[in-house]
Amino acid sequence: GAVVSQHPSRVICKSGTSVKIECRSLDFQATTMFWYRQFPKQSLMLMATSNEGSKATYEQGVEKDKFLINHASLTLSTLTVTSAHPEDSSFYICSARRPIAGISSYEQYFGPGTRLTVT
Amino acid sequence: GENVEQHPSTLSVQEGDSAVIKCTYSDSASNYFPWYKQELGKRPQLIIDIRSNVGEKKDQRIAVTLNKTAKHFSLHITETQPEDSAVYFCAASRQGEWGFQKLVFGTGTRLLVSP
Repeated sequence: GAVVSQHPSRVICKSGTSVKIECRSLDFQATTMFWYRQFPKQSLMLMATSNEGSKATYEQGVEKDKFLINHASLTLSTLTVTSAHPEDSSFYICSARRPIAGISSYEQYFGPGTRLTVT
Repeated sequence: GENVEQHPSTLSVQEGDSAVIKCTYSDSASNYFPWYKQELGKRPQLIIDIRSNVGEKKDQRIAVTLNKTAKHFSLHITETQPEDSAVYFCAASRQGEWGFQKLVFGTGTRLLVSP
């Protein structure tokens, strides 16, 4: 399968500070990446779709000014949690979409996730 | 929009038994159905997927079946092993030359395989 990396794997920050999480597709170019949030024992909640060279599309209820997404290249998307608060503590996972050669189809691969703890 | 339901939420089996997880979807236009396995604290991993032009796909001990008429698809794991223990998520989306709709995930099934 394709390789997607995410950094950092864990971060602890103080309330009110900002945290940046990077997502990279290592062996393919990803025009589209996705950012998810996952609470313990729950499913993946899509936060936003990140498109290279354009503004991200946010899901309903996700504050775009709080969760800043930048997809500046075909291999890198970043999520910045601004003015973090304890309720933002969660497992954040990025995902990248890879086209399948020869057919109009795609596969989606996930990064290893970032566990954010806001104290 | 698409809605995916997944059952059961938990499944306990003995090593060597088979496990079946079922998902239903609502959008008849969906044509791509992947399954992901997520171990505790790790990333979801794509283990198998099926597109709507086939009814069944198999990869060693794992198989997926699709019933487009009934709008449901299932994951079958045979000869289960303790390392199969994880949370499994199904998903559905629509893809084509025009693009790709976002994956809609089921709520997950926690599979426990006892030795």
